[in-house]
Amino acid sequence: QSALTQPRSVSESPGQSVTISCTGTTSDVGYYNYVSWYQHHPGKAPQLMIYDVNNRPSGVPDRFSGSKSGNTASLTISGLQAEDEADYYCCSYVGRNTLGVFGGGTKLTVL
Amino acid sequence: EVQLLESGGDLVQPGGSLRLSCVASGFTFSNYAMSWVRQAPGKGLEWVSVIAGNGANTYYADSVKGRFTISRDNSNNTLHLQMNSLRAEDTALYYCAKGMSMTTVTKYDSWGQGTLVPVSS
Repeated sequence: QSALTQPRSVSESPGQSVTISCTGTTSDVGYYNYVSWYQHHPGKAPQLMIYDVNNRPSGVPDRFSGSKSGNTASLTISGLQAEDEADYYCCSYVGRNTLGVFGGGTKLTVL
Repeated sequence: EVQLLESGGDLVQPGGSLRLSCVASGFTFSNYAMSWVRQAPGKGLEWVSVIAGNGANTYYADSVKGRFTISRDNSNNTLHLQMNSLRAEDTALYYCAKGMSMTTVTKYDSWGQGTLVPVSS
């Protein structure tokens, strides 16, 4: 199973909004509504930010939102803050009896 | 509060074996799938293995199938990863993660700090 495709890096200024894309295929992102997004600050534990395309776990600010169109899922962060600077990974379900697949990760820089 | 504490990481030679453990607390361990995820130096996250809450189902990345074995001891709230025939490309920080349900392979809402496994001669 090939990794999902994410931009290697994105950058935006504090207070602005940024969208990170995650492109898969009709066999994963396009077929299942089981896309998750993880935030990872290097050296720390990853954190689940979005699951099932657009659901936020408790404690995740509503500045984080998810969506999907066709084979591409997106994570949007509004009102960017310095602490949002991190690596972001998408992940999709790809079928029964197999692991999910991660994207390659996107480094978000808050300018 | 959910806590996951990994241990067992150590320098190992190629071809060697290692057993990682993850002690969980703060939730009913047997109700949730558990996973090992790794990050090699300079690389992204990679699923290694998942085990259902009752231990009935296990899944592995192709890169570790036949070499790694995931298991759990629900009476002691502990997750294990037995790693055999280790290769240089297995060098990574290994994370233990708690699933959001009994059988999920994509939704993991709590993670440990990781344990480092360098494979080198």
